[in-house]
Order: sequence, then C-alpha cells, then structure tokens
Amino acid sequence: KAGVTQTPRYLIKTRGQQVTLSCSPISGHRSVSWYQQTPGQGLQFLFEYFSETQRNKGNFPGRFSGRQFSNSRSEMNVSTLELGDSALYLCASSPLPSGANVLTFGAGSRLTVL
Amino acid sequence: AQSVTQLDSHVSVSEGTPVLLRCNYSSSYSPSLFWYVQHPNKGLQLLLKYTSAATLVKGINGFEAEFKKSETSFHLTKPSAHMSDAAEYFCVVSPPNGGYQKVTFGTGTKLQVIP
Repeated sequence: KAGVTQTPRYLIKTRGQQVTLSCSPISGHRSVSWYQQTPGQGLQFLFEYFSETQRNKGNFPGRFSGRQFSNSRSEMNVSTLELGDSALYLCASSPLPSGANVLTFGAGSRLTVL
Repeated sequence: AQSVTQLDSHVSVSEGTPVLLRCNYSSSYSPSLFWYVQHPNKGLQLLLKYTSAATLVKGINGFEAEFKKSETSFHLTKPSAHMSDAAEYFCVVSPPNGGYQKVTFGTGTKLQVIP
C-alpha cells in the first residue's frame, strides 16, 4: 500500500510569506503528527491530530497551525515566515494515537526561507 | 511525564565491528520504546519496538535492543557494522495507548562507519 505522502518536497519562500504543507497518511491511519527537524534543535514535535481533532501541541508560536480533514489528510500552515523556520518538516501517520503504534514517516518537506 | 536521553551525539566504528548506541528513558508509566533510523534527506524508518513483551527485541538489518527496567535503558546494538548503517538513529518513548502525552524523541546519534 502507498506510504505517507508529503507535498511539496522542496520549497523556497521569503520572510513574511506563508506556507501550507500537505500530508496524506497511509490508508486507514487516522492519526497524523508533524515534526520540525533542524540541525540545531533536532526533531521537535509540532502537533498531533486524530479524527480531525488536535490532541497535542508542541511549544511553537501561534504562527504554526494545522488541521486534519475527514479523510485523515492533514495540512500545516506557517504564517509570517522567519528565517528560523527553515527546516525539514516531517509528517507521520499511525492507526491510532500514541502507545505501541508505529509511526510511519513521509520523506518530508524541506522549507527554505530567504 | 516522560523523557529520553541519547548519551552520544556521534559514534564512530570500523566496518565489521560491533555497534552500541545508548538510550536512557524516564517514564511514570510503562512506556513503549522505539528505535528509528534516518538516512540523509530521508524520513525516519522503524528499526524495532518494545511494547512490554520480550525484553530483547530484534529489528531489521541485524539490529537488536534490550529493555532494562532496572537501568531505565534501551540500548541499540549490532554485532557487525556495515557501511550502509551510517545514518542518524533516534530513540523514542511513547505513552500507553490512548495516552495524551506526546511521543518524545531523543536528540539523535549519528553513526559513522569507517571502511
């Protein structure tokens, strides 16, 4: 079956712009989580969605937001981009949230902010 | 509450020698523990997971990890390193099913394999 699909894979934006990233989970997976990965901060949890509800949110400013649709696809949005938002954004899906469920990751969306 | 500490940010081994990547965890409940691997410019891939069954867990590509509750450790080992093992490895702790604690990732260990 198809894996986790993230689009776009690469994008370049300028400061002040906004960006929307998309994540299509594995069919049947209802939990989607997002992570920001940078060389300095490592992997940081952004948010987790299950059945269209946000279950958890990491320590990021309100410029970072997300949502999940009824088909479990998820989007995250970053407004008023800053240089420090340059990162690899990873999405992961699982059948259920937390616990012993294995996270299946997408290849990521690499955002560069100029 | 839960946390995970990867004790080495970088590990360098010669090809054919054993690999040891160390991970300690802290949890107020019985956690699930995972090791993931990330090759350059790729997403993370599951190596193995522990979910309160056997304490010695075998994963893909010859890796295994042992859950030691008394030491709160979950170290990753491989008897003989291969060049293709060069990657970054993440130890992860997860709350019980349905728990509202988020999944917590370690800071990662970069494994270098010297030919």
